[in-house]
Order: sequence, then C-alpha cells, then structure tokens
Amino acid sequence: ETGVTQSPTHLIKTRGQQVTLRCSSQSGHNTVSWYQQALGQGPQFIFQYYREEENGRGNFPPRFSGLQFPNYSSELNVNALELDDSALYLCASSFQGAILETQYFGPGTRLLVL
Amino acid sequence: AQSVTQLGSHVSVSEGALVLLRCNYSSSVPPYLFWYVQYPNQGLQLLLKYTSAATLVKGINGFEAEFKKSETSFHLTKPSAHMSDAAEYFCAVSLFGNEKLTFGTGTRLTIIP
Repeated sequence: ETGVTQSPTHLIKTRGQQVTLRCSSQSGHNTVSWYQQALGQGPQFIFQYYREEENGRGNFPPRFSGLQFPNYSSELNVNALELDDSALYLCASSFQGAILETQYFGPGTRLLVL
Repeated sequence: AQSVTQLGSHVSVSEGALVLLRCNYSSSVPPYLFWYVQYPNQGLQLLLKYTSAATLVKGINGFEAEFKKSETSFHLTKPSAHMSDAAEYFCAVSLFGNEKLTFGTGTRLTIIP
C-alpha cells in the first residue's frame, strides 16, 4: 500500500511569484486535505477536496486555491506569494464514507519565500 | 468552534521515566480527538484516536490517552520514555470523522539520557 506522497520536498520562491504543490493520495482514499504549518506552530487547515469539489475551507485568502483530479491526487496553488507564506505544507488523505476515518499525512513540502 | 490547548510547549523527561503530555479541548458537541507525532523534517504520524468507543485509548509505540469528559482532557502518557520518543507531539480535534482537524500548538518532548 502506497502512502501519501508530496512534491517537491523543498521550494524557494520570491515574493509575488506563484507556486504549485502536489500531493498523491494513499491508495483507496478519495479525500484530500491541505494544511499549512508555520515554524513552531501547529498545522492550520487550508481546505479539503472530495470528489473534485472543495469540501470545506479554513481562514485562508482566495489566492490559496486547489484542485483534485479524478485519480484523487491534488494540487495546492498559491498566487502572489508573501513572506508569511513560508511554511511546511502538509497534505493528508482519507476515505470519506464511514463515520470516522483517519487522515494520513504526507512528508510535506517546505516553502521558503524570499 | 472547537479548539485544543496543549499545556507546556517543551517537556523534558529522563529515559525510563513517565511521559505525560497534556491536552484540553473545547467543543460544543462530543468531539473526535487525536494525537499525532512529528519527527524532525517529517510529516505527521497518527499515534492514537478517540472515537467514543472507549475512554482509554491505546496507540502505537506504547502510548495511550484517556478521554475525561468532566475535565475536557485527553492527556497522552507512556510509562517509560525511550530516546526515540524525542519529537513534537500534536493534539487535534474534529467534530466529524473526516472533517478538518484543529491542532494545538504542539509540545516538544526531549528525552534526557
């Protein structure tokens, strides 16, 4: 069984640029959630995708957007990067269809905005 | 809205000693509660989860947690600390099983040889 994978592992961008982060779900999972973890903080929920539709969003501006593909993989796009966007971005996959399902996390993408 | 508070951003224990990491939650409805561990430069790994089936939950690596509704707590314990337990630990809450997780700020556990 393949776990959650994310690419790239590290990324350096400059302020104002755009970035795309990728996530491959664990086999059998149909839901992907994205979290931002700033240095020294707990992860903060960005949004969740289920069946290619956004299924909940945290307190993040519209320049954070996402996609989910038919194979349940996902992308996180961030436009007009700001210095405060520097963080570890975590993707978590799960299966929606039961009462309680665990979210399994990938290793994350560390983004540095200069 | 739900939230969790982790008391103590840093905890140090001697190898072989009891580990106790504290988590208190706030929720308007019965919550689902989780403990995750994060090793340096890695993602989050699930230690255990509370599903309302049993108040004492056993997880991986010898960890367990007890749900106490009267105290709104879900503290994580391990009888005997091992050097490999050194990591960051996060308590999290969700209202529904597959809904967003709300995390605490984390507790960094250091093991003293």
